[in-house]
Parts: sequence; C-alpha cells; structure tokens
Amino acid sequence: DIQMTQSPSSLSASVGDRVTITCRASQGIRNELGWYQQKAGKAPKSLIYAASILHSGVPSRFSGSGSGTEFTLTISTLQPEDIGTYYCLHHDTYLSWTFGQGTKVEIK
Amino acid sequence: EVQLVESGGGLVQPGGSLKLSCSVSGFTISGSAIHWVRQASGKGLEWVGRSRSEVNSYATIYAESVKGRFTISRDDSKNTAYLQMNRLKTEDSAVYYCSSWVNEVFDSWGQGTEVIVSS
Repeated sequence: DIQMTQSPSSLSASVGDRVTITCRASQGIRNELGWYQQKAGKAPKSLIYAASILHSGVPSRFSGSGSGTEFTLTISTLQPEDIGTYYCLHHDTYLSWTFGQGTKVEIK
Repeated sequence: EVQLVESGGGLVQPGGSLKLSCSVSGFTISGSAIHWVRQASGKGLEWVGRSRSEVNSYATIYAESVKGRFTISRDDSKNTAYLQMNRLKTEDSAVYYCSSWVNEVFDSWGQGTEVIVSS
C-alpha cells in the first residue's frame, strides 16, 4: 500500500505569513493527490485536486504543487479563518484512498 | 442544494453490528461513487470504503482495517447508501461520514454520525 507522510504535524504562524505543508508518497502517484481543510467539529472541505487545481470557490491564496512523490500546499497569506487541520489525500480508483496524518494550523 | 445526511450511529457492544444510512438529496446517487470516511475522536481521517456507480457495477473496495467486516450497499431508488458494520471492535469507534466522489474530489459530505463501540 502507498503511504502518505505529511509534515509538519502542526504549525503556528502569524496572520499574513506564507505557510507550506508537505505531503510525501511512498511511491510515485503522478498527480493523484488532493488537499482538504477540516475545521473543528465539521466535515472536511476540498481545496485542491489533481495536485494543483483549485476547487471551485476556494480562495486564490491556496495553491498546490508537486508530482510523483512530493507535494505541497501553500497558503500565500494566512488568514484567521484558515485555522484548522489540513489533510492530503491520495486516490487510487481501483485500490484505496489514503489520507495523510494531518497538519494542524494555528494562529500565533 | 446538495445534502447528505448520515444516521444510524449509536452505542454498540464489541462484536455487535450496526447499519449506517446516508440519505442524499440534491443529486441522484445512481451516477456517483459514494464513500465512507471515519474519524476517531481527536484523530485524523481514515477512508473506510466506496461503492461505485451503477454503470461501474456498484463495485466496492474497502480499507484493510474493515475488509470482511464492513459492507457498503446502496438503494438508488431511495437515493440512499448504507454501511453495514459487523463484528465491531472498540477501534471502530469514530464519527462516520459519507461523501460523494465527483471528478477526483470528495465533493459533498454529510455531517457525520457517531459510533461508539464499548461494553
């Protein structure tokens, strides 16, 4: 099975900071990767799919990049409403879907 | 407006069974894959399994942790999907979400239903 390793597990940053979260796959996964944001007590929401495509309605300060085994989610200017936990997700249509362990983002 | 509503959660003893429902409105599930995802208290998201659409023969796959114990089914006429959970273990305690998979995205989610496996 493909393992998804996300880092860091948590971070604290100031409003306006640039924030980067990394997700590494144990083997190449092309661009079969998405990013999700989950706020406390709520269901997750899609941010990015196919590694770099912004989901409809998601603010442009969010961006994704990468291919193969290393992927990043970047928040260009952190806003107070961005606090929550972020997950990467690899999908293999015929085998499984695998989430990263999550990155908790807090405001300093 | 698209809505997914999970129900059927509750307290069950280890070894017991429970059947969750995911009632969908706002789109017809016959053309969509429906997934179940769970989240133990204070933990991350864990994919449970999925049922593909009718045109894909309702094919199902499951996470290793639930394979052989959980079964996903659906009744497209009722626009509802189900998660039958048998031989439950304490580690199955979690909030269970259903979600539609559309164009490489978990597009819509329910609010979740909590399952507690405890004696």
